[in-house]
Amino acid sequence: SQQGEEDPQALSIQEGENATMNCSYKTSINNLQWYRQNSGRGLVHLILIRSNEREKHSGRLRVTLDTSKKSSSLLITASRAADTASYFCATGNTGGFKTIFGAGTRLFVKA
Amino acid sequence: KAGVTQTPRYLIKTRGQQVTLSCSPISGHRSVSWYQQTPGQGLQFLFEYFSETQRNKGNFPGRFSGRQFSNSRSEMNVSTLELGDSALYLCASREPGPYNSPLHFGNGTRLTVT
Repeated sequence: SQQGEEDPQALSIQEGENATMNCSYKTSINNLQWYRQNSGRGLVHLILIRSNEREKHSGRLRVTLDTSKKSSSLLITASRAADTASYFCATGNTGGFKTIFGAGTRLFVKA
Repeated sequence: KAGVTQTPRYLIKTRGQQVTLSCSPISGHRSVSWYQQTPGQGLQFLFEYFSETQRNKGNFPGRFSGRQFSNSRSEMNVSTLELGDSALYLCASREPGPYNSPLHFGNGTRLTVT
């Protein structure tokens, strides 16, 4: 079974609005990562948050991590049409190098 | 630095045939992972190689195999193709560092089995 599960499956917003995506996972982690995928292309790494961190920012991205609830959220502020893509959270097996991806959230930003 | 390169970009095969996909990682990256992406199953981990050794394996049948060469380039092979093998196959190389460092993906090989 997949380690991470994103919610919602799809999200449609207007340009300028904020978009929030959530991710839940099942086992202990050393870090959690978020990736973006434009249609039919490879994934691009966005941000990594370590298990001892609670919040991290990168440009218009804000990620939070709650290890007690085994959940994370990705907030994209002031969204743009170019943010239209699928977003995935990913976690690694403890002490290993096997990165598992969730099912993803499809974000549509309307101009 | 050049990114991760996957060849070919598109491939059409017939059931029962076999296929080999190629991946060249970013220079200096010694770990290469392979994923299968389909609309129904999402991104599924196939295997990961490091220094020519398979270090992790996903839950795929033995028809799926891979290898890594001394220059870190990797290939994956699928034998006796089935219709369900139609997918986008993604390769990723990992930055040197502790476990679960960020992955850098190629743009994938789109395999269609008819």
